Amino acid sequence: NAGVTQTPKFQVLKTGQSMTLQCAQDMNHEYMSWYRQDPGMGLRLIHYSVGAGITDQGEVPNGYNVSRSTTEDFPLRLLSAAPSQTSVYFCASSYSHRGLETQYFGPGTRLLVL
Amino acid sequence: DAKTTQPPSMDCAEGRAANLPCNHSTISGNEYVYWYRQIHSQGPQYIIHGLKNNETNEMASLIITEDRKSSTLILPHATLRDTAVYYCIVRVREAAGNKLTFGGGTRVLVKP
Repeated sequence: NAGVTQTPKFQVLKTGQSMTLQCAQDMNHEYMSWYRQDPGMGLRLIHYSVGAGITDQGEVPNGYNVSRSTTEDFPLRLLSAAPSQTSVYFCASSYSHRGLETQYFGPGTRLLVL
Repeated sequence: DAKTTQPPSMDCAEGRAANLPCNHSTISGNEYVYWYRQIHSQGPQYIIHGLKNNETNEMASLIITEDRKSSTLILPHATLRDTAVYYCIVRVREAAGNKLTFGGGTRVLVKP
């Protein structure tokens, strides 16, 4: 199993550009989520999904869109990039929404918005 | 979720046990203690969790005091690959969004 994969690993954007961060998992997990990690801020939940076709907002959803058309994929779209979105983005999946111990993280995407 | 307090950093000799303390004096009866770690430039990795009893798995042991106000993560034989930031988290097991919130953590440096 590849586990949770994320692409790209690094990305530089200009303010106002849009892009999609890709996340895929091959463990048949129902539950997937997106976090951002900023220095001194820890992890913050952006959006999550409890299954294909179902998504919900986390703590910091503004400026981001998600969709879940398949169990495997959970892309994160930045609609109009802003410097405040410079961060490291982690995708996670789990076989249950019950319990942190079931959650596996991808390697992260480092995004710089100029 | 209850707040946790951890020392900002600690060093450990390779091959020795690393004992990482965590204070969570405001923990509620239904809140678990979770430990995660994050190796540089990687995603967080689950280590272990517990409610009341001490727990052990292939990675570590978790010792929770009887009053549950503090706990200790033990890495029995630290290796260089255990160098990471370790996070102690206290929260209910089921929470909307499976939200994982990290505090400052303890930066552990394993030295040869």
